[in-house]
Amino acid sequence: EAEVAQSPRYKITEKSQAVAFWCDPISGHATLYWYRQILGQGPELLVQFQDESVVDDSQLPKDRFSAERLKGVDSTLKIQPAELGDSAMYLCASSFSRKGNSYEQYFGPGTRLTVT
Amino acid sequence: GDSVTQMEGPVTLSEEAFLTINCTYTATGYPSLFWYVQYPGEGLQLLLKATKADDKGSNKGFEATYRKETTSFHLEKGSVQVSDSAVYFCALSEGETSGSRLTFGEGTQLTVNP
Repeated sequence: EAEVAQSPRYKITEKSQAVAFWCDPISGHATLYWYRQILGQGPELLVQFQDESVVDDSQLPKDRFSAERLKGVDSTLKIQPAELGDSAMYLCASSFSRKGNSYEQYFGPGTRLTVT
Repeated sequence: GDSVTQMEGPVTLSEEAFLTINCTYTATGYPSLFWYVQYPGEGLQLLLKATKADDKGSNKGFEATYRKETTSFHLEKGSVQVSDSAVYFCALSEGETSGSRLTFGEGTQLTVNP
């Protein structure tokens, strides 16, 4: 069964350092999402891509976070510089849907970030 | 804006007990509703969904009915097992009005004891 791949699974970094996460969605899925899940809370959307274009980044802290999906396939989420409050699980999800359709989102295993 | 409220946890049950996890929502349109489950150390898995009022989603013995009049989507299971121990998230998606992103509740930790 096809899965969403993420790496690394775990990352420990010092504050003020740069960190990057990678996501490879299920083949053929046009929509890719990055969510942040703080311990004890539900995931919150950071950024949504439709193919290679950003369609929603309203909750992305753009002073330190950036995301790209250059060829409309895999994606990278970067934080620079990392802050203590960025410690969380970063989840990637993908969906077959085109804009406006609520198709199922498939989630990857996540990257757990700890900032010290 | 959209929001989802789940009953506070954690919930601890004995095996074969009846489970209810309450979920209510606020949305501007006509959302689709979902329950996701997260096992320790894993990502989220879709458990069930309902896309319109009075629809019942079901999977693995779990059920939830989309109640528009009470804006609710409560999760139920008649007889829980130890393997059901996980965190359960209620979520909604407004599709056309929000680009299909999911809005999640805070999650309910379920522990089932043998």
